[in-house]
Amino acid sequence: GNSVTQMEGPVTLSEEAFLTINCTYTATGYPSLFWYVQYPGEGLQLLLKATKADDKGSNKGFEATYRKETTSFHLEKGSVQVSDSAVYFCALSAPTGANSKLTFGKGITLSVRP
Amino acid sequence: DTEVTQTPKHLVMGMTNKKSLKCEQHMGHRAMYWYKQKAKKPPELMFVYSYEKLSINESVPSRFSPECPNSSLLNLHLHALQPEDSALYLCASSQETGTLWGYTFGSGTRLTVV
Repeated sequence: GNSVTQMEGPVTLSEEAFLTINCTYTATGYPSLFWYVQYPGEGLQLLLKATKADDKGSNKGFEATYRKETTSFHLEKGSVQVSDSAVYFCALSAPTGANSKLTFGKGITLSVRP
Repeated sequence: DTEVTQTPKHLVMGMTNKKSLKCEQHMGHRAMYWYKQKAKKPPELMFVYSYEKLSINESVPSRFSPECPNSSLLNLHLHALQPEDSALYLCASSQETGTLWGYTFGSGTRLTVV
C-alpha cells in the first residue's frame, strides 16, 4: 500500500535559520505529493504541491521538489520565521479511482525561536 | 468562495447526548470527507462521500453517522459517544475523489466528550 515517512521531530530552530524537513514515500503509479501545515488550534492548510516528477512546489518561501528517483519530497525554507512554528504533514494522493485516499506522514512539529 | 466551513468550532457533549457536526463548501467539489485527528497525530480518514453517496467507511463505529443532504453539505451525527472520541474532527473537500490536486480542509470542530 501507499505510505509516507517523515523525519522524526520535533525540530527547534532559531529565526532566520535554514529548514529542511525530510519526506519519502512509497506508492504505486504516479502519486501527487503535498505539504500541509497546521498552526496551533487550526485545521490543515495546503502549503504546496507537486503532481509529477521534477515539479517544484513553492509557497510563502517554502519549496519542495518531487524526486521520483529517490521517492522524496523534502521541504525547505531558506530563512524561517517565528510565525512558521506549526506542525507540517507530508502527504500523497494516488489517483486510483473512487477509493483513492490522501495518505499522511506522522507530521513534525517545528518551533522557531526569536 | 474557496473555503470549507465547519460548525460548531467547539462542542462539549455528554455520553448520552445526540449532536451533529456540520460542514459546508461552495466550490463545486463533488467529494467530501470526514477525518478524526487526535493530538500530535495525523488526521485519520473516517468517511468519503462522492457525488453525495457514501463511498468509503473506514470501519467507523455506528455511533458516528454521516449524512450528505446535498452536494454542498456534509453532516456527522453523533450519539452515545465515549470519552476516547474526544478529538478534532476535520471536514475536507476535493473536486473529485482520486484527485491530483489535494483537499481543502476546514478549521475543524474540537469535540470533548464528558
